[in-house]
Amino acid sequence: GESVGLHLPTLSVQEGDNSIINCAYSNSASDYFIWYKQESGKGPQFIIDIRSNMDKRQGQRVTVLLNKTVKHLSLQIAATQPGDSAVYFCAEKKGWGKLQFGAGTQVVVTP
Amino acid sequence: DGGITQSPKYLFRKEGQNVTLSCEQNLNHDAMYWYRQDPGQGLRLIYYSQIVNDFQKGDIAEGYSVSREKKESFPLTVTSAQKNPTAFYLCASSADRPPIGYTFGSGTRLTVV
Repeated sequence: GESVGLHLPTLSVQEGDNSIINCAYSNSASDYFIWYKQESGKGPQFIIDIRSNMDKRQGQRVTVLLNKTVKHLSLQIAATQPGDSAVYFCAEKKGWGKLQFGAGTQVVVTP
Repeated sequence: DGGITQSPKYLFRKEGQNVTLSCEQNLNHDAMYWYRQDPGQGLRLIYYSQIVNDFQKGDIAEGYSVSREKKESFPLTVTSAQKNPTAFYLCASSADRPPIGYTFGSGTRLTVV
């Protein structure tokens, strides 16, 4: 249904600290998960992905953790920088199906 | 460079007008999608197409129409029946083999004046 009026949760992080963004996914059969970053006025950009046969995957300054037991996904950003300020979306996919996006989290990096 | 292009970046529509948003990709992706994003909110699926000449309604298709006559192109028409069209519209594409994530365009911001 419509989600008008529902605003994004916000995570405020001090520059240099680590950020942890959490996401609960809905489909226990999902086998592929992605994190996207969306800066204001731009389209979402791919950050990192993980398949369901993995628990952890690391990229440059980012780590994704997958806990299938509780259907939880998290994105960790090391040494958060001002350029990390954005909205972060998780997404899940089952087989050839469409991506299902989470609601998003606004990350605000403070000096 | 391969990518997905949306145009225009900004679009103004008068009450009662239909407007068409362009989305073109040269990634050779089979599937294309249109999303609507309202300020401070997530993505809502309007329409999607998994193959040329075929498309399906998403969660909020009312007041919108699409066509998929070419693999590269998936234009979205916002009709006068859409009661609150002011929003940020995002187009995306994806390949199915192997199943991967979406590549997004840079968006079109539509404002009703």
